[in-house]
Amino acid sequence: KNEVEQSPQNLTAQEGEFITINCSYSVGISALHWLQQHPGGGIVSLFMLSSGKKKHGRLIATINIQEKHSSLHITASHPRDSAVYICAVSGSGGSNYKLTFGKGTLLTVNP
Amino acid sequence: DTAVSQTPKYLVTQMGNDKSIKCEQNLGHDTMYWYKQDSKKFLKIMFSYNNKELIINETVPNRFSPKSPDKAHLNLHINSLELGDSAVYFCASSFTANQPQHFGDGTRLSIL
Repeated sequence: KNEVEQSPQNLTAQEGEFITINCSYSVGISALHWLQQHPGGGIVSLFMLSSGKKKHGRLIATINIQEKHSSLHITASHPRDSAVYICAVSGSGGSNYKLTFGKGTLLTVNP
Repeated sequence: DTAVSQTPKYLVTQMGNDKSIKCEQNLGHDTMYWYKQDSKKFLKIMFSYNNKELIINETVPNRFSPKSPDKAHLNLHINSLELGDSAVYFCASSFTANQPQHFGDGTRLSIL
């Protein structure tokens, strides 16, 4: 079992819909990252958070440390949001230089 | 202008050869990383360096040898390439641990 589990694996939505992607982890962490990988292959860091909630434009990320769970929300989804969204965690202590990744969620937003 | 640049973008070579991938960042970051993305798109850390010192070596075969001549560069040399080395390799950097990471565009390595 992977230390970082994401759901769903695949998600298809209509333009304008509210999207939620979930991430659960089983180890102690110092931070959680949400990354976006477009079909062209490039990877972009969307958020890094260790508590609470962060918002950037139409994207919102939340984390519940006690429940070891994070969610990424996209409001008013658009076809350009179509990408793979990857959750990753930094370990604690000496492992905080190491990112452990989930398997990603493939999001397709149809016009 | 590019923050993290990797060269080459594509690398096609035969089994048994030795090859290198170069990575440079102009962000003034102290920490650099190498990741491998397999055919199922799963990312896994290989190495992380902080201030030119190796911090993480994630049970990578000895055929892979990273070299950090200075904080801005982290190159990856691979000896005796095997079919299983076919993957996309990403370089990344951050100010330090637990900071957002900036990724290069990846190097697609194909072993014939």
